[in-house]
Amino acid sequence: GNSVTQMEGPVTLSEEAFLTINCTYTATGYPSLFWYVQYPGEGLQLLLKATKADDKGSNKGFEATYRKETTSFHLEKGSVQVSDSAVYFCALSDRTGANSKLTFGKGITLSVRP
Amino acid sequence: GAGVSQTPSNKVTEKGKYVELRCDPISGHTALYWYRQSLGQGPEFLIYFQGTGAADDSGLPNDRFFAVRPEGSVSTLKIQRTERGDSAVYLCASSPGKDTQYFGPGTRLTVL
Repeated sequence: GNSVTQMEGPVTLSEEAFLTINCTYTATGYPSLFWYVQYPGEGLQLLLKATKADDKGSNKGFEATYRKETTSFHLEKGSVQVSDSAVYFCALSDRTGANSKLTFGKGITLSVRP
Repeated sequence: GAGVSQTPSNKVTEKGKYVELRCDPISGHTALYWYRQSLGQGPEFLIYFQGTGAADDSGLPNDRFFAVRPEGSVSTLKIQRTERGDSAVYLCASSPGKDTQYFGPGTRLTVL
């Protein structure tokens, strides 16, 4: 079955540091890949997505590239801010017909200190 | 516009009781999903509706769990004979039919 593995957390960084959060996946077929973010006290929000190999998703300074050869979708940001403190979830959808149910990783908590 | 809403935001119940959790999707979204998120884990898929019908209920853990969407809009997740292990945040998401799902704030269920 499908699965998503995220690096162990939590992660604590200083403001303006470089961020990488690793994500690898196992899936049949050609899934779409997502990063969702959950800010304190808020619901899950889509951060970015990529629907095919070599696509790069980007939003709010975050980027992730769909790497089929390494089955990875690592999240990066060049300079984090305190406001980026949140829980980040990597997810995939194998899109069986119209069904786009998501398989999530465990999530990782990012704390950015001033 | 209005996002996905879920009620109640918190529900505390006793073991063995029946609970209903409600989801109001974004207007016009045909697809609706329920997920369950246990502490320290990512959300896990429960059930998917396309219109009024449950097109995929493979994630429901057992027959105590049931969900309906009678008019293709609002959905209700029903849990019978609740157990302490059912304590979690129950998330609802809706989609216009493409990949992107829009999540509600969730209902935190606590079974004492």
